[in-house]
Amino acid sequence: GENVEQHPSTLSVQEGDSAVIKCTYSDSASNYFPWYKQELGKRPQLIIDIRSNVGEKKDQRIAVTLNKTAKHFSLHITETQPEDSAVYFCAASKPPNDYKLSFGAGTTVTVRA
Amino acid sequence: DVKVTQSSRYLVKRTGEKVFLECVQDMDHENMFWYRQDPGLGLRLIYFSYDVKMKEKGDIPEGYSVSREKKERFSLILESASTNQTSMYLCASSLASGDYNEQFFGPGTRLTVL
Repeated sequence: GENVEQHPSTLSVQEGDSAVIKCTYSDSASNYFPWYKQELGKRPQLIIDIRSNVGEKKDQRIAVTLNKTAKHFSLHITETQPEDSAVYFCAASKPPNDYKLSFGAGTTVTVRA
Repeated sequence: DVKVTQSSRYLVKRTGEKVFLECVQDMDHENMFWYRQDPGLGLRLIYFSYDVKMKEKGDIPEGYSVSREKKERFSLILESASTNQTSMYLCASSLASGDYNEQFFGPGTRLTVL
């Protein structure tokens, strides 16, 4: 089955700096890569996703890049703010053939004021 | 607005008890999932269902079973709870169409088995 690895496990950044989280996947058939954010005590929520036919996608201060050849994708957060402090999970799946998500282990991001 | 609800936020049970965790979604989603979340291990899939009466094992099904008698409800059952099943349990649902696959999560049930 799919194996998703995520690094780093923890990340501390100064407010205003950028944060980058990297994930690799093993199944070349995976074609959909979402990122979820989980604030303390809350449920995970989708913040951005990318399909395999796209190399990069941006939404305000967050962006995701995908390298299909190398089977890795990354989340970039620019101009970090205290509200960006959370656990971030990457995931991979193969819709419409398979709707299961395989998640990475998570990255705890702390933004220092 | 999608709403996924879980029957309890916190639950304390004793070893050997039968435990039922209920999940209900109100958006007519075909797909439903049960995960457990443990520090450093991310979200691990226990069971999933793509249709009523249908169920499939995920990555860590041992010690668990599920039931999906109605489209909106997906139940996770611990037949005989053990201390290593102490965890946060998250339910999720998604549509079975298209190339995007957003899963909507419930608030979670923190289960402690003594």
